[in-house]
Amino acid sequence: GQSLEQPSEVTAVEGAIVQINCTYQTSGFYGLSWYQQHDGGAPTFLSYNALDGLEETGRFSSFLSRSDSYGYLLLQELQMKDSASYFCAVRNRDDKIIFGKGTRLHILP
Amino acid sequence: GAVVSQHPSWVICKSGTSVKIECRSLDFQATTMFWYRQFPKQSLMLMATSNEGSKATYEQGVEKDKFLINHASLTLSTLTVTSAHPEDSSFYICSAHTGENYGYTFGSGTRLTVV
Repeated sequence: GQSLEQPSEVTAVEGAIVQINCTYQTSGFYGLSWYQQHDGGAPTFLSYNALDGLEETGRFSSFLSRSDSYGYLLLQELQMKDSASYFCAVRNRDDKIIFGKGTRLHILP
Repeated sequence: GAVVSQHPSWVICKSGTSVKIECRSLDFQATTMFWYRQFPKQSLMLMATSNEGSKATYEQGVEKDKFLINHASLTLSTLTVTSAHPEDSSFYICSAHTGENYGYTFGSGTRLTVV
């Protein structure tokens, strides 16, 4: 079967750094994606890792270790607008995107 | 960037009626689209994969006769919720692969409320 585990909630302070971890089990793994979703909105694509290592896009970075079936999303210089749910998702051999349960990020001023 | 247009954004219907949701890829061709359902504060659950010119493939537990999917062209996929019941009330979202960096673009979603 396929499963993804990520924390249900994380709280951080504005201006700080936060890391959201994700572990996965899937058949035919092709890559790990991260999506952001604000309440009432659709998910927006943040990053994708197909190979081991760190991908950096502005304040957001994503890491993947295929041998550990593990990845994380790193958010730096947190802003209040970053308060949202963050989903890790795997792309399997059927080219489907399967989502984790999501991590709700709360940011304190 | 690649855009998927989804409408309606919200709909309220009576129990027993059918509702059609449309997703269009505006500046790219989408031979495959994915349909998700999301209940409040929960994850996106993949319902089915819509394939242009062929039958959709449904995930386990999803009733194909209740959720009719049609993908008649390279830019349009539709999901029809037939004989809707209150438990079908949910947020329905479509998605398509844009071909860029393995990004999947999502429609804006349709909030369905069945009364």
